[in-house]
Amino acid sequence: EAQVTQNPRYLITVTGKKLTVTCSQNMNHEYMSWYRQDPGLGLRQIYYSMNVEVTDKGDVPEGYKVSRKEKRNFPLILESPSPNQTSLYFCASSPRLAGQETQYFGPGTRLLVL
Amino acid sequence: KQEVTQIPAALSVPEGENLVLNCSFTDSAIYNLQWFRQDPGKGLTSLLLIQSSQREQTSGRLNASLDKSSGRSTLYIAASQPGDSATYLCAVMGAITALIFGKGTTLSVSS
Repeated sequence: EAQVTQNPRYLITVTGKKLTVTCSQNMNHEYMSWYRQDPGLGLRQIYYSMNVEVTDKGDVPEGYKVSRKEKRNFPLILESPSPNQTSLYFCASSPRLAGQETQYFGPGTRLLVL
Repeated sequence: KQEVTQIPAALSVPEGENLVLNCSFTDSAIYNLQWFRQDPGKGLTSLLLIQSSQREQTSGRLNASLDKSSGRSTLYIAASQPGDSATYLCAVMGAITALIFGKGTTLSVSS
């Protein structure tokens, strides 16, 4: 089944404890991205990747890192999480240059930083 | 900077009604526009994608239109059902490779 998977789905952590949220897609998509969703603010892009080893900042990249060593994986790294990073996170992928193709979203990761 | 607005923010209708959800965007230089559905606690499911050169797309009981010059799109849902209850999100893809989302319309269809 074609899908985007994220792990973990739910995470409670404390301020400053490094964490990684994994994202994997099995559709051989070039383009992948991360979004966060907050009440009243909607969905905003954090980082995106056009292909392996190519990543760039979205609208709200502060406090996040990403890497794209393999085409299928695009982990989101929070080196020192803070309470304002409590949010619902979505990973998405698309077959080629986003702009021409449907984006497929993962199920989301709900993060609580205490 | 692109801004996407969805009206209304919430909508309640009885089963069987036809309804229209509205989306407007400030910058007409878009590559495409997508409508998504989001169920509580779930991810986003793409419903329809309209390329900038297209005027409308249809899938089952859903029809989405795009008027790029006026910065508007509508999602028409025919013969609504309780299973249509969800939040509907409109998103546009512009020059920068990010989807810019509206805040959504939360639809409730009562039986």
